[in-house]
Amino acid sequence: TQLLEQSPQFLSIQEGENLTVYCNSSSVFSSLQWYRQEPGEGPVLLVTVVTGGEVKKLKRLTFQFGDARKDSSLHITAAQPGDTGLYLCAAPSTNAGKSTFGDGTTLTVKP
Amino acid sequence: GAGVSQSPRYKVAKRGQDVALRCDPISGHVSLFWYQQALGQGPEFLTYFQNEAQLDKSGLPSDRFFAERPEGSVSTLKIQRTQQEDSAVYLCASRLTYSGANVLTFGAGSRLTVL
Repeated sequence: TQLLEQSPQFLSIQEGENLTVYCNSSSVFSSLQWYRQEPGEGPVLLVTVVTGGEVKKLKRLTFQFGDARKDSSLHITAAQPGDTGLYLCAAPSTNAGKSTFGDGTTLTVKP
Repeated sequence: GAGVSQSPRYKVAKRGQDVALRCDPISGHVSLFWYQQALGQGPEFLTYFQNEAQLDKSGLPSDRFFAERPEGSVSTLKIQRTQQEDSAVYLCASRLTYSGANVLTFGAGSRLTVL
């Protein structure tokens, strides 16, 4: 079973602060994905990281895949209220099957 | 359509009633997934279709849960004799091909409340 542990479970910060959330596992993955889910909506894919040590940037969001491909982090610079949501990491299928999700980090950015 | 459409968005059922949740995937998408999401948790896999074939139903929690996709497009998730523990958001997602490398696109979900 590919168990993905995300931390922290909840995070509440002020606008303008920086933050990092984590996704850890004892398993090695061929890739990991990060999704953001807003209330009342389905998850939306933000990024896929594939190579160990890879860093990808999406505006103020920086995603890193661990060297051993067992963990990943998401760093947000100068958070804004629009960043509020549930951030999920997921291990996509290696073949044709399911993706497995962590329980997510609920981020609240206060204006 | 432009996205994955789910209906109804909200469903309240009395314990013991049967419910049916519908998913219209993106046109032409081969793969279709159902997930269950409890409040404050990540989506949990229920079942997976490739065209009309149900290739994996290992996540269905009991024989009260049944899913079908008879023509390889629209899918229905049916829950018989609903219980309070079935209360959750049911998410449908579709993917262009069978390949896990392709993007999974989710619908907005159907929120089921069992009283």
